[in-house]
Amino acid sequence: AQSVTQPDIHITVSEGASLELRCNYSYGATPYLFWYVQSPGQGLQLLLKYFSGDTLVQGIKGFEAEFKRSQSSFNLRKPSVHWSDAAEYFCAVGARYGNKLVFGAGTILRVKS
Amino acid sequence: GAGVSQTPSNKVTEKGKYVELRCDPISGHTALYWYRQSLGQGPEFLIYFQGTGAADDSGLPNDRFFAVRPEGSVSTLKIQRTERGDSAVYLCASSLGGDLEAFFGQGTRLTVV
Repeated sequence: AQSVTQPDIHITVSEGASLELRCNYSYGATPYLFWYVQSPGQGLQLLLKYFSGDTLVQGIKGFEAEFKRSQSSFNLRKPSVHWSDAAEYFCAVGARYGNKLVFGAGTILRVKS
Repeated sequence: GAGVSQTPSNKVTEKGKYVELRCDPISGHTALYWYRQSLGQGPEFLIYFQGTGAADDSGLPNDRFFAVRPEGSVSTLKIQRTERGDSAVYLCASSLGGDLEAFFGQGTRLTVV
């Protein structure tokens, strides 16, 4: 069965500190992986995606993620967090031309000044 | 329009009533998805349209839920005999040609009282 696990429900980091949000997936075929961000009252915004090729992908807002097939992971990173990054982050997996994404339960990021 | 538009943004209805939620996708996007996001959870897939037809409705929870997309653009999610457990944010997304790089609307928050 397809599934996504985001082990951390909440994470708090200081502004300017580095960030890593964890994502582990279970998927029977070649996974296509996504990170979305959701601010309160807003829809989901795509941060980055991995389809193939270089396993380190760059996204918007200074985020990057690394695909590690051996660990079934796709962790999201940012070297220096800004207060505006406070939001909920969702990892998702699917087939590229498939019909649906399977989402994790999300990680709420709090940024303290 | 520039993005995926969902109306209404909020809907409060009484248990047992019928509701319709509308999604206006990005112009030219042939694929349209509905997801449901319950409090504290990630979005869960409901149904996928490619053009006018429902290519995959495996996520619809029961026969009270139905969705249409008669002209291959606007879609309506219909819920009959609403129950309190249907309370959630209903998200719509569209993509070009079924590539999972989907763009999400801001959602409709449905509250059944």
